[in-house]
Amino acid sequence: KQEVTQIPAALSVPEGENLVLNCSFTDSAIYNLQWFRQDPGKGLTSLLLIQSSQREQTSGRLNASLDKSSGRSTLYIAASQPGDSATYLCAVGSDKIIFGKGTRLHILP
Amino acid sequence: DAGVIQSPRHEVTEMGQEVTLRCKPISGHDYLFWYRQTMMRGLELLIYFNNNVPIDDSGMPEDRFSAKMPNASFSTLKIQPSEPRDSAVYFCASTVGGALSSYNEQFFGPGTRLTVL
Repeated sequence: KQEVTQIPAALSVPEGENLVLNCSFTDSAIYNLQWFRQDPGKGLTSLLLIQSSQREQTSGRLNASLDKSSGRSTLYIAASQPGDSATYLCAVGSDKIIFGKGTRLHILP
Repeated sequence: DAGVIQSPRHEVTEMGQEVTLRCKPISGHDYLFWYRQTMMRGLELLIYFNNNVPIDDSGMPEDRFSAKMPNASFSTLKIQPSEPRDSAVYFCASTVGGALSSYNEQFFGPGTRLTVL
């Protein structure tokens, strides 16, 4: 059974710093992995989608990597801004779509 | 495009009542997903449709839950009878893709916050 874990559950970082969010999964037989952002009381916004054949995807200040063999993905955020404060979730696509519980990120002004 | 539309945004009902949640996917998307989000369990996939046909409903918690997609632009999730433990935020999402293994990015609606008293 696929399990997706995101550690830490919460993170506070001063503005301007670079940071890394982690996502791990137990079954490496995945088709893809997607990172989402969720603002309080809102739906999820897709940030990056990595297919199983890819190792990373980049969008602006965001870079997501995927290492299937070790069951890990990271989301790198460069030059963090207060507007980056949100909960970040990863979702693993295999026979089912399994979400992690997210990392609640707070960027300190 | 208006994105995925869900209604109502908030629903408060009493235990035992029937609840119907509605979703309009993005035009042209052939996959539609229903999720439930709670603090304890996080985001869980309940059911998904491809071309209006239910493909996997193994996430539906009980027979009290049912979902339909009568056409490509409308889906409902019904709970009958509702119970307090059904209180959660219910999300609908849509995407376009040939098969689950190659689905593209999912687009989520704003969710319906359900409270069952």
